[in-house]
Amino acid sequence: EAQVTQNPRYLITVTGKKLTVTCSQNMNHEYMSWYRQDPGLGLRQIYYSMNVEVTDKGDVPEGYKVSRKEKRNFPLILESPSPNQTSLYFCASSSLTGSNQPQHFGDGTRLSIL
Amino acid sequence: KQEVTQIPAALSVPEGENLVLNCSFTDSAIYNLQWFRQDPGKGLTSLLLIQSSQREQTSGRLNASLDKSSGRSTLYIAASQPGDSATYLCAVPTTDSWGKFQFGAGTQVVVTP
Repeated sequence: EAQVTQNPRYLITVTGKKLTVTCSQNMNHEYMSWYRQDPGLGLRQIYYSMNVEVTDKGDVPEGYKVSRKEKRNFPLILESPSPNQTSLYFCASSSLTGSNQPQHFGDGTRLSIL
Repeated sequence: KQEVTQIPAALSVPEGENLVLNCSFTDSAIYNLQWFRQDPGKGLTSLLLIQSSQREQTSGRLNASLDKSSGRSTLYIAASQPGDSATYLCAVPTTDSWGKFQFGAGTQVVVTP
């Protein structure tokens, strides 16, 4: 089954403790992206990647890092999490083959930073 | 910067009525526009993607139109059902970088039996 898989689905942690949210897709998609969703602010893009070793900032990259060493994986790293990063996070992927391919989303990761 | 707006923020209709959801964007030079559905606590599911060269796209009871000159897209859902209750979002790639996307805040729809 074609899917985008995020782990963990839920995490409660404390300020300053480094964490990584993993994202993996099995569709051989070139494009991957991270978003956060907050009440009243909607979905905002954190980082995206057009292919292996190619990453770029979205609208809200501060406090986050990403890497794209393999095509299927795009982990989101919070080096020193803070309470304002408490949010619902989504990973998405799409093909860049042909034009106008839709984005496919994971089920989300709910992060609480205390 | 591209701004995407969805009005209304919430909508309640009785079962069987047609749903009309609106999405407005400020920069008409878009590559495409995508409509998504989000159920509570879930990820986004792609419904329709309209390319910039298209005026509409259809899938089953769903029909999406695109008018780039006026900066609008409309999602029509015919003969609504309680299972259509969800939040509907639209998204466009920004014109300065294809990989960047702007999402609307969504319209929360409730279809009452």
